[in-house]
Amino acid sequence: QVQLVQSGAEVKKPGASVKVSCKASGYTFTNYAMHWVRQAPGQRLEWMGWINVGNGNLKYSQKLQGRVTITRDTSASTVYMELRSLRSEDTAVYYCAREQSVSGDSCYDYWGQGTQVTVSS
Amino acid sequence: EIVLTQSPGTLSLSPGERATLSCRASQSVESKYLVWYQQKPGQAPRLLIYGTSNRATGIPDRFSGSGSGTDFTLTISRLEPEDFAVYYCHQLDTSPRTFGQGTKVEIK
Repeated sequence: QVQLVQSGAEVKKPGASVKVSCKASGYTFTNYAMHWVRQAPGQRLEWMGWINVGNGNLKYSQKLQGRVTITRDTSASTVYMELRSLRSEDTAVYYCAREQSVSGDSCYDYWGQGTQVTVSS
Repeated sequence: EIVLTQSPGTLSLSPGERATLSCRASQSVESKYLVWYQQKPGQAPRLLIYGTSNRATGIPDRFSGSGSGTDFTLTISRLEPEDFAVYYCHQLDTSPRTFGQGTKVEIK
């Protein structure tokens, strides 16, 4: 069965960086794009960016451009999201989500369990 | 950026009642790119409806989606105890992909 398993919770100081991993299993890793979405306390879900796992093409949210990097390791079936220059407002649960395309309809059909990132001095 | 506005913010209903949730977009969204998710506390979002009206695998038929252009609706025909949760609409039509602010369906 499809599973996306993320790395554990992180506590970081302002200005530091965090790297969250998302290990995929149960499907052909390179056939699907992977997205990162975050949810700050009491806020709506926020799309951060995505990677075409097959060819490595990327697109980032303009809001986070310059601070976020998404990479993948196809040999490990793992996608990574690094966020730099952390601020208190980056405190959130971070999710990876697989994009599925069904007869032209797109959606995020599987999600990781979420990784809590807390930024605090 | 397409802004999705959901209403109402909170819906207080009893089990067995019908729930109607609205999602309005600031500009037209192609139907194939409008999605609904359910989220319970401490859990990741769960796919309910994709392509405006298609139920995801394993989703019961009491859930249905409809709409076009800028107005979309999620209907739960008869609420079951496990349906009390937060529901988000999501558009994948244009970048950045955006989400609504959510509608909480709570037990009255």
